[in-house]
Amino acid sequence: EAGVVQSPRYKIIEKKQPVAFWCNPISGHNTLYWYLQNLGQGPELLIRYENEEAVDDSQLPKDRFSAERLKGVDSTLKIQPAELGDSAVYLCASSIGRQQQFFGPGTRLTVL
Amino acid sequence: GESVGLHLPTLSVQEGDNSIINCAYSNSASDYFIWYKQESGKGPQFIIDIRSNMDKRQGQRVTVLLNKTVKHLSLQIAATQPGDSAVYFCAETSGTYKYIFGTGTRLKVLA
Repeated sequence: EAGVVQSPRYKIIEKKQPVAFWCNPISGHNTLYWYLQNLGQGPELLIRYENEEAVDDSQLPKDRFSAERLKGVDSTLKIQPAELGDSAVYLCASSIGRQQQFFGPGTRLTVL
Repeated sequence: GESVGLHLPTLSVQEGDNSIINCAYSNSASDYFIWYKQESGKGPQFIIDIRSNMDKRQGQRVTVLLNKTVKHLSLQIAATQPGDSAVYFCAETSGTYKYIFGTGTRLKVLA
């Protein structure tokens, strides 16, 4: 069974530029999560989707971050404009309801 | 706010010895706990979980202990192997989808 797929794996951009991350969850997983992970820290939830609906986006900085999951499968997380403090690993995870979450490898973002 | 395991200690263990990784949590309402393993360049990987109605659960070479009195969780790895080298996170949730992760503990296995 294929795991959660994320791309790109690495991204280096200059501040004020836009950036987008893509996630393909495990087939059949209706719940999708985006997490932010700073170095040496545990993941922090940004947004959770149930199918195509964002049911928890309370931790998403909505002034610059946006996300979508239009058909309830793949999801995109966007930052515009990026700031230096956005440098981190962005993790996507998926699950069937409240069952075990499976994480992707993450996208490491470096903002210069 | 609530917090889980704010420090990132490093545990160095000789290959073949047992490892014990600890985690403190502060939300007394948490009822489900998970240990994750994260290797460099990879996402967290589920190891073992435990519900608050249990105080011990065993898996293959791993045991999780839960002490609700002192809000403490531990992960025991038997016969530690080089492949166990990673950062280990505990996570808690109180009946919701929202998991609160600790800062993590780095395990180094010495040959």
